Amino acid sequence: SQKIEQNSEALNIQEGKTATLTCNYTNYSPAYLQWYRQDPGRGPVFLLLIRENEKEKRKERLKVTFDTTLKQSLFHITASQPADSATYLCALWGNYQLIWGAGTKLIIKP
Amino acid sequence: KAGVTQTPRYLIKTRGQQVTLSCSPISGHRSVSWYQQTPGQGLQFLFEYFSETQRNKGNFPGRFSGRQFSNSRSEMNVSTLELGDSALYLCASSHGLADYEQYFGPGTRLTVT
Repeated sequence: SQKIEQNSEALNIQEGKTATLTCNYTNYSPAYLQWYRQDPGRGPVFLLLIRENEKEKRKERLKVTFDTTLKQSLFHITASQPADSATYLCALWGNYQLIWGAGTKLIIKP
Repeated sequence: KAGVTQTPRYLIKTRGQQVTLSCSPISGHRSVSWYQQTPGQGLQFLFEYFSETQRNKGNFPGRFSGRQFSNSRSEMNVSTLELGDSALYLCASSHGLADYEQYFGPGTRLTVT
């Protein structure tokens, strides 16, 4: 079955450093992959979408890579700030629905 | 542009009861998807409606149902509530195409006692 895996353990990063989150998938060949941010008690907020023919996508301090051979996407936040602390979700599009990872909780320490 | 709204925001129900949740999408969006989220779980897809038609359905029992109206507003219903139905229920609207992002509402926190 299609499966998406994100690091279930919280990621602790020092302010100012680069945070890197991983999204791995199996049994799937997605045409698109999306990243969202979710704060406690709120709905996810869209951050970036990357297509299978794009190796990398950037938006301000955010960068996403997509390696269809490794079946992996990496999400980077450069110059991280405490306000970046949240849970980050990746999702693949397929069969008229987004298939979601469980998310990785990112904690940026001042 | 107004965001996605969901009502009610919080709900407490007793086992065996039924509940109806409402979602108003962003103006112009024809697709509404519903998700269940519980602690430690990813978003679990319930169903998606596009132009009043259910286009896809997740692996949930028939107690979970939904519908979409001509103005794209959507409702989901859960009958014969169980304790395990306690969760955050999120709806998301989009243009309905694969490469469009989804816009989420704040969710309805349902507690079944």
